Amino acid sequence: DVKVTQSSRYLVKRTGEKVFLECVQDMDHENMFWYRQDPGLGLRLIYFSYDVKMKEKGDIPEGYSVSREKKERFSLILESASTNQTSMYLCASSPGTGVSNQPQHFGDGTRLSIL
Amino acid sequence: AQKITQTQPGMFVQEKEAVTLDCTYDTSDQSYGLFWYKQPSSGEMIFLIYQGSYDEQNATEGRYSLNFQKARKSANLVISASQLGDSAMYFCAMRDQMDSSYKLIFGSGTRLLVRP
Repeated sequence: DVKVTQSSRYLVKRTGEKVFLECVQDMDHENMFWYRQDPGLGLRLIYFSYDVKMKEKGDIPEGYSVSREKKERFSLILESASTNQTSMYLCASSPGTGVSNQPQHFGDGTRLSIL
Repeated sequence: AQKITQTQPGMFVQEKEAVTLDCTYDTSDQSYGLFWYKQPSSGEMIFLIYQGSYDEQNATEGRYSLNFQKARKSANLVISASQLGDSAMYFCAMRDQMDSSYKLIFGSGTRLLVRP
């Protein structure tokens, strides 16, 4: 079974802090994704990566950055946390090209509160 | 731009009955894939079913089936014989198969509550 592990289920931080959310997958997937989920808005893509050290902006990248130094690990960074970044954050991974019907596999999510 | 619309914020269904969750999509692409995910209150996203735009048959996976109407751009999820454990959020998502990033566009979700 594919396993995507997010480092924290719940996290509370203060405004202005630098926050790191970690995600690790064990299936050698090329693609990794970070989403945030807010009520009534579904999941929105923040950043994604299709290879080590490669990253692309998603739909809402402002206030975030990412790091992918190893294939299995994809980190989301809130450079200076603000209260409007309080949300549920979901990491996902999927195989690379040639497997178009493969779903993305998700971690359990991190509920982040910024006070 | 691609877009997914789920018009039912919440739905109720009686246990053991069937329920249809609506999903319409907008795309100018010819090759795309449609996915349904389930999210229980615990938060994890569980993949349920996939339909490719060129698939001639409607996808089925156990009690889940997808009513795919390409001309109407709809991909409704049908859950037969509902169980209490089906109570969850359900998300419809679309992927452009020509986009090498394989990113998904999600709808806003439908919360399903199964009544005993």
